[in-house]
Amino acid sequence: DAEITQSPRHKITETGRQVTLACHQTWNHNNMFWYRQDLGHGLRLIHYSYGVQDTNKGEVSDGYSVSRSNTEDLPLTLESAASSQTSVYFCASSRSEMENTGELFFGEGSRLTVL
Amino acid sequence: AQTVTQSQPEMSVQEAETVTLSCTYDTSESDYYLFWYKQPPSRQMILVIRQEAYKQQNATENRFSVNFQKAAKSFSLKISDSQLGDAAMYFCAYINTGGFKTIFGAGTRLFVKA
Repeated sequence: DAEITQSPRHKITETGRQVTLACHQTWNHNNMFWYRQDLGHGLRLIHYSYGVQDTNKGEVSDGYSVSRSNTEDLPLTLESAASSQTSVYFCASSRSEMENTGELFFGEGSRLTVL
Repeated sequence: AQTVTQSQPEMSVQEAETVTLSCTYDTSESDYYLFWYKQPPSRQMILVIRQEAYKQQNATENRFSVNFQKAAKSFSLKISDSQLGDAAMYFCAYINTGGFKTIFGAGTRLFVKA
């Protein structure tokens, strides 16, 4: 079965360190997204990509970067982790434009703690 | 810009009873999708139900149904015959038709009492 996987599922790091969260999907979806989930805010969009070599900033992109070198992967990098980036991070994908029903397919989430 | 508002941070329901979760949204678009996603303690986000704005008929999925009021920009979720497994965080979400960015509400945590 097609799926979307994130790693690591849990990560504890220190302020100032670089952290990369991996996201790999086998749905063959062009669209991929990174969200962060914080109490009282729901899910907020960090970065998104509509295809290989395409990346775009979401509403809370400061301090984060992504790259898209193939269809399957969209890693999220925190260049210099800050305590405000302690959160649960979700990767998601959706179908290409002609088939897009709007539904998001989610990974299991990655809990990041920055001390 | 589109917004999604869930005014109930928490709700509780007795097992086998019915509960309604509220959601309102703001948009100037006429074509869009609305969703309810469920997030159980496992953290996995699961699609519960989807509504296309051009359809007047309310979507239903087994015990889950919606009350979609387009003019009022309201999209509530009704859970009938509540079960312990329905306990979760529920998110209302919006996306423009042909768009790619989903907007989420803050979520409603549902407790189910045995």
